[in-house]
Amino acid sequence: NFMLTQPHSVSEFPGKTVTISCTRSSGSIANNYVQWYQQRPGSSPTAVIYEDNQRPSGVPDRFSGSIDSSSNSASLTISGLKTEDEADYYCQSYDGSNRVFGGGTKLTVL
Amino acid sequence: QVQLVQSGAEVKKPGASVKVSCKASGYTFSDYYMNWVRQAPGQGLEWMGMINPRGASTTYAQKFQGRVTMTRDTSTSTVYMELRSLTSEDTAVYYCARPSNSGWYDYWGQGTLVTVSS
Repeated sequence: NFMLTQPHSVSEFPGKTVTISCTRSSGSIANNYVQWYQQRPGSSPTAVIYEDNQRPSGVPDRFSGSIDSSSNSASLTISGLKTEDEADYYCQSYDGSNRVFGGGTKLTVL
Repeated sequence: QVQLVQSGAEVKKPGASVKVSCKASGYTFSDYYMNWVRQAPGQGLEWMGMINPRGASTTYAQKFQGRVTMTRDTSTSTVYMELRSLTSEDTAVYYCARPSNSGWYDYWGQGTLVTVSS
């Protein structure tokens, strides 16, 4: 089994851009799609990025995803930060039938 | 519209079992797998396993093998997750989550808090 490692927390000011990384411990990040989920306190998670860089309907284009094979990592970038973006963010991928979540990153909008 | 409605909060003693339900509506129940994901207080998301409602085949995370059973009732479009031999480490919110055709979770239940305490 592989692990997905995320920074514990990130913070940035409104209007700025923040990037959250997600590094895969073994196996190529490019071999299996990466998803990103946003979770606000007391709520169920919701997807903001699927299949590495696709946005579900209703997710603003301020959210974007990418992968970098050289660092075996995925990234979630949020531009034009808003206070409503303050939440926990989880990356998720898979290997065969096994699904794995990253440990989560708490985004604070200062 | 798609809805996943879970059963209510449970309080269990160590060593007991819990069975959480997830009733699906708004789509063809047998066409989509159902996954279970849990979240301990202040912790991250943890995938537990999944069930194919069409044939009831299951895949469980290695961590839960032998302690979890996922079943379904096609007549009521409901899936169940039973976890046995509970310890305080199993105190968590348990979510059912439906993956889309491309695999990402597009619908989640509201979560069921299971508290294990003596």
